[in-house]
Amino acid sequence: GDSVTQMEGPVTLSEEAFLTINCTYTATGYPSLFWYVQYPGEGLQLLLKATKADDKGSNKGFEATYRKETTSFHLEKGSVQVSDSAVYFCALTATDSWGKLQFGAGTQVVVTP
Amino acid sequence: GAVVSQHPSRVICKSGTSVKIECRSLDFQATTMFWYRQFPKKSLMLMATSNEGSKATYEQGVEKDKFLINHASLTLSTLTVTSAHPEDSSFYICSASRGAPGANVLTFGAGSRLTVL
Repeated sequence: GDSVTQMEGPVTLSEEAFLTINCTYTATGYPSLFWYVQYPGEGLQLLLKATKADDKGSNKGFEATYRKETTSFHLEKGSVQVSDSAVYFCALTATDSWGKLQFGAGTQVVVTP
Repeated sequence: GAVVSQHPSRVICKSGTSVKIECRSLDFQATTMFWYRQFPKKSLMLMATSNEGSKATYEQGVEKDKFLINHASLTLSTLTVTSAHPEDSSFYICSASRGAPGANVLTFGAGSRLTVL
C-alpha cells in the first residue's frame, strides 16, 4: 500500500539556519503530495502541495519539489525563524482516494534564538 | 478562514464507559469529514470517512462497532468511542472538506486527547 517516510526528529536549529526535512513516498499511480504543519495546540494546516511531477510547492518561504524519479518531496527553508517551531507532516493522497491522506510520522522542528 | 472545532480537547474516562467527540465546521458546510487517530510519535492513521446523511466508511482494521461515527448535519460529525479501554487512549483528529471533490481543500481540527483509565 501507499506509505510516506520522513526523517525523525526532533530537529533543532538556530534562527536563520537552513532547514531540510526529507520525505520519500511509495505509491502506485500519480499521488498528490503535501506538507502540513502543526503548531502547538492547533490543528494541522496545509503548508504547501504539489499535484504532479516536477511541480514545486511554496509558501511562507518553504519549498518542496515533487521528484518522481526519486519518489521524494523534501521540504526546505533557507532561513528559519523561531516561529517556525512546529511539527511538520509529509502526506500523500492517491488519485482515486481524494481526501484520504496518508501521513508520515511527523518531524518536530525546534528553532532557538 | 475556514475553522474546524473539536470538543472536548481533552477527556479522561474510566474503562468501560463511552466517550463522544464532536467535530464542527464553524463557517462552512462540510459534506465529508475524516477521522484520524494519532499514536505517540506516530503518524496519523485514517479511521473512517464520514459523509453527511449516510453511513461512514471505515478503513480496514477499524472496528465500526467500537468507533461509532455520525454525520447528521453538514456542520457536525461525532465520533463515539464505545466501551472504552486503555488501548483506545489516543489523539483523535478530524478534518472537514470544503469545495468540490478533488479540490483537496481540507481543514483540520486541533484534536481531542482521550485517556482511558
